[in-house]
This record gives sequence, structure tokens and C-alpha cells, in this order.
Amino acid sequence: GAGVSQSPRYKVAKRGQDVALRCDPISGHVSLFWYQQALGQGPEFLTYFQNEAQLDKSGLPSDRFFAERPEGSVSTLKIQRTQQEDSAVYLCASSLFERDTYGYTFGSGTRLTVV
Amino acid sequence: RKEVEQDPGPFNVPEGATVAFNCTYSNSASQSFFWYRQDCRKEPKLLMSVYSSGNEDGRFTAQLNRASQYISLLIRDSKLSDSATYLCVVALGGSGNTGKLIFGQGTTLQVKP
Repeated sequence: GAGVSQSPRYKVAKRGQDVALRCDPISGHVSLFWYQQALGQGPEFLTYFQNEAQLDKSGLPSDRFFAERPEGSVSTLKIQRTQQEDSAVYLCASSLFERDTYGYTFGSGTRLTVV
Repeated sequence: RKEVEQDPGPFNVPEGATVAFNCTYSNSASQSFFWYRQDCRKEPKLLMSVYSSGNEDGRFTAQLNRASQYISLLIRDSKLSDSATYLCVVALGGSGNTGKLIFGQGTTLQVKP
């Protein structure tokens, strides 16, 4: 597609529920990133994939967060047993080259609300 | 202490005004520097990269001072359409470079008629 596509656009989850957020990067982009943006804050890095390899997961806040990109294209961010502090916008970005900071394209994000 | 610090504002300015935003970063291994713009409920979009020599794009001028670890953005002749949040962003270089961006909190600009 022309841009990075994320779904769903909005998700309301009850506390304790598991959620899965999808990111469809630009075709052929090697790098894929997930960020979490809390209200009034800048995005914070969660994890990085180079093709199917998850090379950096240092930003994942707990073991309830899990991400995968099994075929090097679509990625899924899963949050188990959601908590209220997980409420945020989850942004996905892709770039053409590995470790490329100049060529980012962000998706529109998934707004997660945990009630 | 946050790795990238910005004054969150808001900055309320009249149309036509000149406004300057600053940010500081703490990691001297930072190698790449950017200003991103984020409209309300939208994704961040790259406004411009920032270089030590300074760079200009129309009404926007960005400056980097590596010695002071300080980045600035100047907007001249403000337009209503400049109203947004401006995010200061850095990325590490060398072995620390995994491609991740480190964002400041953002500075909110409201341009009024």
C-alpha cells in the first residue's frame, strides 16, 4: 500500500482482556518499529524488527507485551491481561533500510483504552 | 531525567509572529537530529532534519549545537496552519544505533488570528 496501515483504529478493552494490534508496513520496508504514546507525551520506543528478526525489544514495558513479524512484513503487537496504564496510542513505523532513522513513515496508530 | 527535554508550552502567538522552540538532549552519542510535527490525533510527521551547519526550509530554520547538546527550531511569519505539537527527536549513532528514535514530550504551538 501507499502508507503504513494500522488496525483497529480504536480499541476498547476491559481490564484483564488480551488485545492484538496489527501493522501493515510499506511493501519492501526492511525496518519496522512500534512506539507507545501516552496522552500529552512524545512517542516511546517499544521494539524494532529488521525483516522477521526482532533485534531490539528493550522498550517493551513488561512481559505482558509481545510483538512478532513472522514473515518480515505484517507485524502484530499483543498485550496480555491489559491494565489501565496500557491506555495509549500505539504507533507503528516502517523504513526502507535497516536501522534507518531518516526514512520513517508512521501509521495513524491504534488508540487503546482500557476500562 | 528524560533523554530529550522540551518546554511543553503551550506557546500562544499571533499570526505573523516569530517563535522559537528549544530542546536539550542528554546522550552525547546522539548522531541524528530531527523536528517532527504532530497534529491533534494524528501521527508524527517529519518536519526537517537538523544539522550542525544549520538548515532552513522556507519559514523554518533548525540549528544544532553539539557542544551544548541543544537543538532549536525557529518559525518565522507564523500561519494558523502551523498550530500543532512540535517534537524534538534524536537517534543514537554507532553501536548504539538500532534505528530507534528518542522523542521529547513535544511543544504545543497555537497560532491565533
